[in-house]
Formats: sequence, structure tokens, C-alpha cells
Amino acid sequence: AQSVAQPEDQVNVAEGNPLTVKCTYSVSGNPYLFWYVQYPNRGLQFLLKYITGDNLVKGSYGFEAEFNKSQTSFHLKKPSALVSDSALYFCAVRDRAGNNRKLIWGLGTSLAVNP
Amino acid sequence: GAGVSQSPSNKVTEKGKDVELRCDPISGHTALYWYRQSLGQGLEFLIYFQGNSAPDKSGLPSDRFSAERTGGSVSTLTIQRTQQEDSAVYLCASSEGSGSNQPQHFGDGTRLSIL
Repeated sequence: AQSVAQPEDQVNVAEGNPLTVKCTYSVSGNPYLFWYVQYPNRGLQFLLKYITGDNLVKGSYGFEAEFNKSQTSFHLKKPSALVSDSALYFCAVRDRAGNNRKLIWGLGTSLAVNP
Repeated sequence: GAGVSQSPSNKVTEKGKDVELRCDPISGHTALYWYRQSLGQGLEFLIYFQGNSAPDKSGLPSDRFSAERTGGSVSTLTIQRTQQEDSAVYLCASSEGSGSNQPQHFGDGTRLSIL
């Protein structure tokens, strides 16, 4: 069965420190991979996606993510965290084969950046 | 900017009443998704519309839930005979084209509270 795992419910980092939010996946084929962020009382906002090519993808707000095929991971990173980065982060994958356009979502990781 | 618009933003109703939630997708987006999100939790897929194809209703939790999309644009999610467990945030998203690498764009949701 296809699935996405975000192994940490919560991540705490100090402002200015690097942050990592982990995501691993299990799909039958080669995936498209996405990260979204959700601020309180708002919908989800698209951050970045991996389609093909360079394994390091750069996205909005200084975030980046690294696709690792052998480890089936797509961890979200930022070199220097801001308090305003505190939010809920979701990883999602879609198998590029077939006609199913549904995303498979992780359960989310709450990021708290402390001043 | 013309993002995904959902209305109402908040809805409080009594158990047993019917409710209708509306979603206006981004103009030209052919794919439309409905999700349910319980407090602080992940996304639960409900239903997916793609162009003129038959919708994927596989996520609807019971026959009290239904959705339609008129003219390939606006969508309405209807919940009949509401129950307290229906209380959640209902999110709508749209994406352009039929490519499975297109990100989803979310509205800010309707917060539904069943008394």
C-alpha cells in the first residue's frame, strides 16, 4: 500500500539554527513529491515539489528539500529557522504512473521555532 | 488575486440539520478536491473532480455526504443530518491541467461546528 510517514509529530528548534522536517514514503513507482505548510486558521500553502532532475529542490521562504531515492526520503530543510516558520508542515506524494491524481498525505509535523 | 474561495468561513449548526459548503476554485483549474481536517490533524480525502470525468467519491465517509461540481467550476459539499463527529475544517483545493505534478491550491476552509 502507498503511504507517507512523517515520523515526528513535533520539531522544536531555536531561531537561527538549521531545521529538518522528515518525510519518508512508500509508493509503487517513481513519485512526485510535495511539501506544504499550514499556518493557523489557514489552508495549506504549496512550498516546493520534486519532479525530476536535481535531487535538491529549492522552494518558497528559503526552504529546500532533498530527494533520496535509495532511502525513499524527501526531508524538508532550512539553513536558518525563523520564528515565523512555526507552522504545521505536510509531506505528500503522488505516483506518476496511472491516472490517479490523488495525493497521499503525511499526518503533518508541527514546527516550533523558539526565539 | 483570485485564489480558491470557500464559504462560509465558519458554520455552526444543530445536530440533524443539513449544511452546504461552497468552493470556488481558481479559474481554469480542472481538478477540484475536498478534504476534511480535524483539529490539528492531517488531511482526510473526501472527493475529487477532474474535468468531465466521473468524480472519485472513495473518501466520502457515509451516504450523508455528497458533492457536486456545476459547469466544471463551483463545487458544493452537502452534509445531511449532521452529527457531532462531522465537526471539522473542510478544505477545498484545485489544480490546473491533468498533469499529476501540478500542486494543489487550497482555500482557507470552512470551520464546521455541530452542536
